[in-house]
Amino acid sequence: DTGVSQNPRHKITKRGQNVTFRCDPISEHNRLYWYRQTLGQGPEFLTYFQNEAQLEKSRLLSDRFSAERPKGSFSTLEIQRTEQGDSAMYLCASSSKDLPYEQYFGPGTRLTVT
Amino acid sequence: AQSVTQLGSHVSVSEGALVLLRCNYSSSVPPYLFWYVQYPNQGLQLLLKYTSAATLVKGINGFEAEFKKSETSFHLTKPSAHMSDAAEYFCAVSGARGNNRLAFGKGNQVVVIP
Repeated sequence: DTGVSQNPRHKITKRGQNVTFRCDPISEHNRLYWYRQTLGQGPEFLTYFQNEAQLEKSRLLSDRFSAERPKGSFSTLEIQRTEQGDSAMYLCASSSKDLPYEQYFGPGTRLTVT
Repeated sequence: AQSVTQLGSHVSVSEGALVLLRCNYSSSVPPYLFWYVQYPNQGLQLLLKYTSAATLVKGINGFEAEFKKSETSFHLTKPSAHMSDAAEYFCAVSGARGNNRLAFGKGNQVVVIP
């Protein structure tokens, strides 16, 4: 069990560019979550997958954001036409079918939009 | 909908003294409650959880928390602070059913004074 991994760990981009983050959950975890954490705040829920199905999206997830989990394993989160307000830590978490409420978090991807 | 309130963003405690972090929750369904710890530039690590079994739950690193339904509270304690406890602590709530997405408080930054 290698834990949840996220890549890249850091991303600096210019406003208007597109960025994509990857999350690899713990193997055999069927649930995968994305959260966003801004400075001085707790993480906020963005979206949730059960296997390959995206079952819920927060209102925080504007049309510029899209997430996929094509084979029910890794997931990607893409932000199009980035804005300075998108600067944040993007956290991924996964949980198992047996303990769906016990979420394990990755180290996060810190995005800075200049 | 679920939410938690953590008061006092920064908490200073002397090494060897009691650590007490307060968390009050609001939930329209039976809650599951969690405490997570976050070290600088890292993801969140689960400290302990309440999932409707014992109301006093013990976690890692000597922390424990007590679920009090009458007070809608889930305060975190540790009898004797250690320098390594310096970190940010988040209380979180999810519904006992459904997608189990977590709603986090704003966090407490704990500083341990030698």
